[in-house]
Amino acid sequence: DTAVSQTPKYLVTQMGNDKSIKCEQNLGHDTMYWYKQDSKKFLKIMFSYNNKELIINETVPNRFSPKSPDKAHLNLHINSLELGDSAVYFCASSHYLAVGGETQYFGPGTRLLVL
Amino acid sequence: SQQGEEDPQALSIQEGENATMNCSYKTSINNLQWYRQNSGRGLVHLILIRSNEREKHSGRLRVTLDTSKKSSSLLITASRAADTASYFCATDNAAGNKLTFGGGTRVLVKP
Repeated sequence: DTAVSQTPKYLVTQMGNDKSIKCEQNLGHDTMYWYKQDSKKFLKIMFSYNNKELIINETVPNRFSPKSPDKAHLNLHINSLELGDSAVYFCASSHYLAVGGETQYFGPGTRLLVL
Repeated sequence: SQQGEEDPQALSIQEGENATMNCSYKTSINNLQWYRQNSGRGLVHLILIRSNEREKHSGRLRVTLDTSKKSSSLLITASRAADTASYFCATDNAAGNKLTFGGGTRVLVKP
């Protein structure tokens, strides 16, 4: 069974549209993340949630709004899409990152192309 | 500039050879992790090394950490075509609640 799943896998849309990406994990983790990977493969954290509460927001434009209805789900809604939003978006989950460090488990990614 | 930068950016080797890649970082860490990303897939955790450890092994992987130089290396021994992937190092912040990934090393293992 898939541990971290994302839908859709591919998303092609026009500039100005609003779209959502969904993420679900069945690992029993309490922390979930959204990352953006650009065309040069650089991976940057956008948000993280712990027990449905936002704990990290990395200066992401407010057109991006994450929502965590429960510990197993973290969705990402993007308003007024721009060309620069084209990227691969990865969801990940872990037990809460403590000083000891925790492994993050990644979903397969959502490839977003804004035309 | 980013925390966690890999070197080289790309590496091409023959099957059976060893592959070595390095990661440098700027601020103090609690631990450093290495992840692999196959083309078109998500990242997969390979190994974690804590700041008080100097070397760690896992199968054909060997990771070293030099906190005085703020650098780590990942060695893949006896490489296989299936090792073809991008490899990323990731460091945590002081609070331990965020990972910062480097730009990755793209490894091509030719059969």
